[in-house]
Amino acid sequence: DIQMTQSPFSLSASVGDSVTITCQASQGISLRLNWYQVKPGKAPKALIYDASNLVPGVPSKFSGSGSGTDFTFNITSLQPEDVATYFCQQYDTLPITFGQGTRLEIK
Amino acid sequence: EVQLVESGGGLVKPGGSLSLSCAISGFTSSSYSMNWVRQAPGKGLEWVSFISSSGSYTFHVESVKGRFTISRDDAKNTVYLQMNSLRVEDTAVYYCARGHGGNSWFDSWGQGTLVIVSP
Repeated sequence: DIQMTQSPFSLSASVGDSVTITCQASQGISLRLNWYQVKPGKAPKALIYDASNLVPGVPSKFSGSGSGTDFTFNITSLQPEDVATYFCQQYDTLPITFGQGTRLEIK
Repeated sequence: EVQLVESGGGLVKPGGSLSLSCAISGFTSSSYSMNWVRQAPGKGLEWVSFISSSGSYTFHVESVKGRFTISRDDAKNTVYLQMNSLRVEDTAVYYCARGHGGNSWFDSWGQGTLVIVSP
């Protein structure tokens, strides 16, 4: 199985800040990488597909980049509603696998 | 509006069975692949099962193979997950998720149903 390693495990930032999350695949996955937001008690939400494409309706404050094994996810102008856990997900090879998640908090 | 509503979760003893349902509305269910993804308490997301739009192809992650079965009834707009021989480590919130395109990403999710496997 392809292992997806996210970092950091958690981070805390202030309102208005920008944050970056990284995701590393255990083998090359081209651009086959997606990002999700998960809030407690709510349906998970897709944010980015194919490494850098914004899901329609998702604010442009969210962005993604990378290819091969190394990927980044960015959030600008952090707001309280961005508090959530963020996951990367690869679909290059079955089984589909997710990173362990990054918990984002507001200071 | 696309809606996925899971049901059927609950408390069950190890070795027991549960059947989860995912009620689909707002789109033609037969046009999409469907998935079950779970999240154990304090853990990350784990993709569990997949069924193609036609229902002819299914996939289960190794840890549930032989115990879980995914199926669909498009006449009832429902996807199912039959879970047998449940283990403590199957305790999780189970989400139903719609596959986009070739099931490359999950574009709609339900709010999940909690399964607790405990003696």
